[in-house]
Amino acid sequence: ETGVTQTPRHLVMGMTNKKSLKCEQHLGHNAMYWYKQSAKKPLELMFVYNFKEQTENNSVPSRFSPECPNSSHLFLHLHTLQPEDSALYLCASSQDLGGVNTGELFFGEGSRLTVL
Amino acid sequence: GQQVMQIPQYQHVQEGEDFTTYCNSSTTLSNIQWYKQRPGGHPVFLIQLVKSGEVKKQKRLTFQFGEAKKNSSLHITATQTTDVGTYFCAGHRGNAGNMLTFGGGTRLMVKP
Repeated sequence: ETGVTQTPRHLVMGMTNKKSLKCEQHLGHNAMYWYKQSAKKPLELMFVYNFKEQTENNSVPSRFSPECPNSSHLFLHLHTLQPEDSALYLCASSQDLGGVNTGELFFGEGSRLTVL
Repeated sequence: GQQVMQIPQYQHVQEGEDFTTYCNSSTTLSNIQWYKQRPGGHPVFLIQLVKSGEVKKQKRLTFQFGEAKKNSSLHITATQTTDVGTYFCAGHRGNAGNMLTFGGGTRLMVKP
């Protein structure tokens, strides 16, 4: 139990489907993240939210749409994905301490996405 | 953009042997973090290094941050089967907000 909960754990969708991934953190952190982890690439940062404001969008295609209604919840809305988008999507949270003391990331267990 | 490279990609060791993974950044880092991901699991934070030349130990694990703050290493003494997993370094630039750049990871396999 990391304090970061992701649902669903597994998702299979067709290229024309619309689905959403959900993340909830119970740690009182002020920053939340979406990372993509695929077999052949390192952990790729997708989006960062600080105090529910998006501060980073790491050149992610528009078929991925994040939503952060409050500092404890983060969604990733998926629409018309491609098979190459199949990956493990990891949500993380941290307490941004400012300066060089970057808070550690607490990851959820991930949502394994397969796009057919 | 910033790149963080890790070598080796894979390492097979016999239980009891030592293991080292190296992390190199194309730019100077304000700090570096290390994570471990067990097979089928999620990354778990191990440690953060902030100061130039810093060395920290956690039992059989020794972490170093280079003098130029562009490289780091993780050394495991006398590996055990519980050490199996992928070890990631992640670098943070002082002017990059919350952006941590992860290395590709080193996957450690330990033969009993």
